[in-house]
Amino acid sequence: AQSVSQHNHHVILSEAASLELGCNYSYGGTVNLFWYVQYPGQHLQLLLKYFSGDPLVKGIKGFEAEFIKSKFSFNLRKPSVQWSDTAEYFCAVNAVGGLLTGGGNKLTFGTGTQLKVEL
Amino acid sequence: EAGVAQSPRYKIIEKRQSVAFWCNPISGHATLYWYQQILGQGPKLLIQFQNNGVVDDSQLPKDRFSAERLKGVDSTLKIQPAKLEDSAVYLCASSPRLAGGDGTTYNEQFFGPGTRLTVL
Repeated sequence: AQSVSQHNHHVILSEAASLELGCNYSYGGTVNLFWYVQYPGQHLQLLLKYFSGDPLVKGIKGFEAEFIKSKFSFNLRKPSVQWSDTAEYFCAVNAVGGLLTGGGNKLTFGTGTQLKVEL
Repeated sequence: EAGVAQSPRYKIIEKRQSVAFWCNPISGHATLYWYQQILGQGPKLLIQFQNNGVVDDSQLPKDRFSAERLKGVDSTLKIQPAKLEDSAVYLCASSPRLAGGDGTTYNEQFFGPGTRLTVL
């Protein structure tokens, strides 16, 4: 079964600072990777996703993430954060291979990183 | 397009009581998921339906939790009897269809606002 680790539980940054949130997964096979975001009082929503191809993926609001297969990592980055980026960020993995391997459409989430951006 | 609807938004009960949550997915979405999110943790899948059939309930505590999606549209998740450790946010999500048999096709999951359950 797959698992996901997010090492930073709480991050506080000033506006315009650069952001990098770590995400590592454990699964030996092919994976689809995601970052979800939950703004205060709102639903979980998809920020970006990686299925295949270019390992550098771009999402909404200037976020990007890089898949490094050799490191089992999918770190989230943003060059310059804004106050409105204050939210909780979740990394998630979907193991490709169907239900027999626990894949199908099943998402396994990390524990989340609470980001606070100060003015 | 209307999103995933859940009710109630908040529920407070005492331990050993019963509680039920309701979810209405996005119209036309065949797959429905229930997740449990305990404070400080990420969402954990409890059960997954494809239309009215269960696809995966391996992490559902079946001695106290049950879920149904009788007509393949809306769904109910029940806890009976509740324990203190059931305090969590219960999230419902839906996606257009299940992934292909080899899992190579993933469909984005759309989440509802959740129901926050407090067990006293």
